Amino acid sequence: GENVEQHPSTLSVQEGDSAVIKCTYSDSASNYFPWYKQELGKRPQLIIDIRSNVGEKKDQRIAVTLNKTAKHFSLHITETQPEDSAVYFCAATLLFSGGYNKLIFGAGTRLAVHP
Amino acid sequence: NAGVTQTPKFRILKIGQSMTLQCTQDMNHNYMYWYRQDPGMGLKLIYYSVGAGITDKGEVPNGYNVSRSTTEDFPLRLELAAPSQTSVYFCASSYEGLRERSYNEQFFGPGTRLTVL
Repeated sequence: GENVEQHPSTLSVQEGDSAVIKCTYSDSASNYFPWYKQELGKRPQLIIDIRSNVGEKKDQRIAVTLNKTAKHFSLHITETQPEDSAVYFCAATLLFSGGYNKLIFGAGTRLAVHP
Repeated sequence: NAGVTQTPKFRILKIGQSMTLQCTQDMNHNYMYWYRQDPGMGLKLIYYSVGAGITDKGEVPNGYNVSRSTTEDFPLRLELAAPSQTSVYFCASSYEGLRERSYNEQFFGPGTRLTVL
């Protein structure tokens, strides 16, 4: 079945530096790739997503890039701030029976931004 | 809107006990999902529903059951609790789901932390 691998599992950066998290997926039929941020003890929340017909998408300090040929996508956070510290999850859709997609999540990256 | 709400927030069960985790959404979303999140891990889909009366299994359905009698409610039932079911359970909902050409954000509830001893 579909598998999503996420690297690194932990990432530590200094405030103001950039952070990059990478994910690979196995099913070439996947067509939607969201990123979720989960603060400690809180629920996951969508921060950015990208569709398979787009190569890059930006929203202020965060951006996501997609390489369909290589089947990988990445989250880029620039000018990191302490409040960016959280666990970040990537996900990919898997075309499911009946035409309904379901999300397959990566294992998460714990990002720590040090002042 | 309250969004997605879940009860209880915390629960401790003994092995073999049963319980129902409640989930309600007031956004008129037709798709609803149940995930479990084990410590340090990602989210695994347990069951999902694409509308009232329609449910289907996700990646890890064993030991669980669901029902969807209304658009708003999607309870998750544990019949014979086992230590392997110790986890944080998240309910989520989305509008029209993630069909081709229709990608929609999944909104998550606050979670239920379940411990089975």
